[in-house]
Amino acid sequence: AQSVSQHNHHVILSEAASLELGCNYSYGGTVNLFWYVQYPGQHLQLLLKYFSGDPLVKGIKGFEAEFIKSKFSFNLRKPSVQWSDTAEYFCAVIPNYGGATNKLIFGTGTLLAVQP
Amino acid sequence: EAGVAQSPRYKIIEKRQSVAFWCNPISGHATLYWYQQILGQGPKLLIQFQNNGVVDDSQLPKDRFSAERLKGVDSTLKIQPAKLEDSAVYLCASSHDRRNLKNIQYFGAGTRLSVL
Repeated sequence: AQSVSQHNHHVILSEAASLELGCNYSYGGTVNLFWYVQYPGQHLQLLLKYFSGDPLVKGIKGFEAEFIKSKFSFNLRKPSVQWSDTAEYFCAVIPNYGGATNKLIFGTGTLLAVQP
Repeated sequence: EAGVAQSPRYKIIEKRQSVAFWCNPISGHATLYWYQQILGQGPKLLIQFQNNGVVDDSQLPKDRFSAERLKGVDSTLKIQPAKLEDSAVYLCASSHDRRNLKNIQYFGAGTRLSVL
């Protein structure tokens, strides 16, 4: 079965530090890739997505992610985090195997705490 | 535009009782999803509707869970009888059309269920 792995469960950073969250998936075919974020007390919202083309994608709030097909990875990065980036981050995949469903397969999430 | 609406936000019941959750998707969205998010895990798809038809319910525990979307708009998810392991956040999401894998799924705030 397809799966998504997020290696960091909890990350604590100081403001202005750089961030990289790892994400790997297990499907060998074409995939659509997503990072969702959940701020405290809020609903899941889309941070960025990759469907095709340039493997370096930019999202909201200065986040970016790089798709490396050979490594089955889609790591999230931000050069300088802010206190307001404190949230839980989920990597998710939609495998494109021509099936009827386009369900999101989520990783377990990474809790990021940014200290002022 | 208005987001995905869910109610109630919180529900506490005893095991073997029944419970129902309601979801109103974004206007015009044909596809509706119910996800279950257990503490410490990423969301997992329970059931997916395209208009009022079921597309994928392969991970729905059908002996106790049921869901419907009779008029292709609102949806209800029911658990009867509830078990302790059903304690989770139940997320509803919607997208324009599942047949386009580039459709973004928008999530509601979720219903947090505690089974005692």
